[in-house]
Amino acid sequence: KQEVTQIPAALSVPEGENLVLNCSFTDSAIYNLQWFRQDPGKGLTSLLLIQSSQREQTSGRLNASLDKSSGRSTLYIAASQPGDSATYLCATYSGTYKYIFGTGTRLKVLA
Amino acid sequence: KAGVTQTPRYLIKTRGQQVTLSCSPISGHRSVSWYQQTPGQGLQFLFEYFSETQRNKGNFPGRFSGRQFSNSRSEMNVSTLELGDSALYLCASSRPGQDSPLHFGNGTRLTVT
Repeated sequence: KQEVTQIPAALSVPEGENLVLNCSFTDSAIYNLQWFRQDPGKGLTSLLLIQSSQREQTSGRLNASLDKSSGRSTLYIAASQPGDSATYLCATYSGTYKYIFGTGTRLKVLA
Repeated sequence: KAGVTQTPRYLIKTRGQQVTLSCSPISGHRSVSWYQQTPGQGLQFLFEYFSETQRNKGNFPGRFSGRQFSNSRSEMNVSTLELGDSALYLCASSRPGQDSPLHFGNGTRLTVT
């Protein structure tokens, strides 16, 4: 049974810092891993999707990496801004028509 | 292009009642999935539909049910509501295929009193 863990649960950084969010999963037989952000009271916004054959994906200041063998993914945010404050979730897809979500990292970027 | 639309945004119900939530996916998306989000349990998968067929179901009691229509719109129903059903219910749609990201609606906030 797939379990997805995100550490830390919460993170507070000053504006301009580069930061890394971590996502660990127990079953490496995944088809893809997706990173989302969620603003309070809202739905999730897709940030990056990494297929199992890929090592990383980039979009603007965001870079996500995937290491299936070690069961880890990281989301790197460069030059953080207050607008990046949100909860970040990762989710794995293993071909059973459902995603398994991590518990999320609540990020606060201080101006 | 319109995003995923969920209605209503907020609902207040009393224990024992039933409720129906609606989800309209992005045009062209035929897969619709539902999730329950609570502070204690996080995001949990409820069920997924494709072409009006339920392809997978999460570990929820039979009081939770859903369906998908021929236009890909989906509804979920919760009968005999319990206090513990209070949550944000999120719907997501996607195109077929493993490389298609999930797109979420803003959810329906259900409060059971």
